[in-house]
Amino acid sequence: DAKTTQPNSMESNEEEPVHLPCNHSTISGTDYIHWYRQLPSQGPEYVIHGLTSNVNNRMASLAIAEDRKSSTLILHRATLRDAAVYYCILRGGGSNYKLTFGKGTLLTVNP
Amino acid sequence: EAGVAQSPRYKIIEKRQSVAFWCNPISGHATLYWYQQILGQGPKLLIQFQNNGVVDDSQLPKDRFSAERLKGVDSTLKIQPAKLEDSAVYLCASSLESRDTDTQYFGPGTRLTVL
Repeated sequence: DAKTTQPNSMESNEEEPVHLPCNHSTISGTDYIHWYRQLPSQGPEYVIHGLTSNVNNRMASLAIAEDRKSSTLILHRATLRDAAVYYCILRGGGSNYKLTFGKGTLLTVNP
Repeated sequence: EAGVAQSPRYKIIEKRQSVAFWCNPISGHATLYWYQQILGQGPKLLIQFQNNGVVDDSQLPKDRFSAERLKGVDSTLKIQPAKLEDSAVYLCASSLESRDTDTQYFGPGTRLTVL
């Protein structure tokens, strides 16, 4: 499975933007980049996904580098409720479309 | 829309005992997944069903773990006998299909403690 690299932890202040980086230098041309997050004591939840172009939804934005070897999840205004572990996952046919979770980035949001 | 339901939420057993977890996926979702999440790690896929057939069970410890999905809806995951290292949260998830763009919806999980 294609691997991703994320920082173990990041910290942000409430109502400020947060940029969560992810490196995936071995991404294949057909792999989608997915982001999930896991709030304390809950199951993971979907955040956003993309292939080549930047993507926006009500939760976040996903900025994908031109060479696709890295991406950044952007939370435009962090709230306390955004404190969670964020997982960057590559998903494609080569891995039978599995979600293979790493350790993710623990985001702490300070009031 | 109702989410993925799991029960029980918590279970404490002694090693060598048996335990079973139940999952009810979102209505109409053909694909069902069981994950194991050990403290401090990301979830690890144990088994994936497409309707009532197994698609991937490559990481399921088949000597002690078993799972079934009767009639392509509900699913049960069983551990027999349990070991200390099975202490974890067991997550069930479902999706409409199994493609690179499908969203997986997760249940709240069952926290298993093996003493």
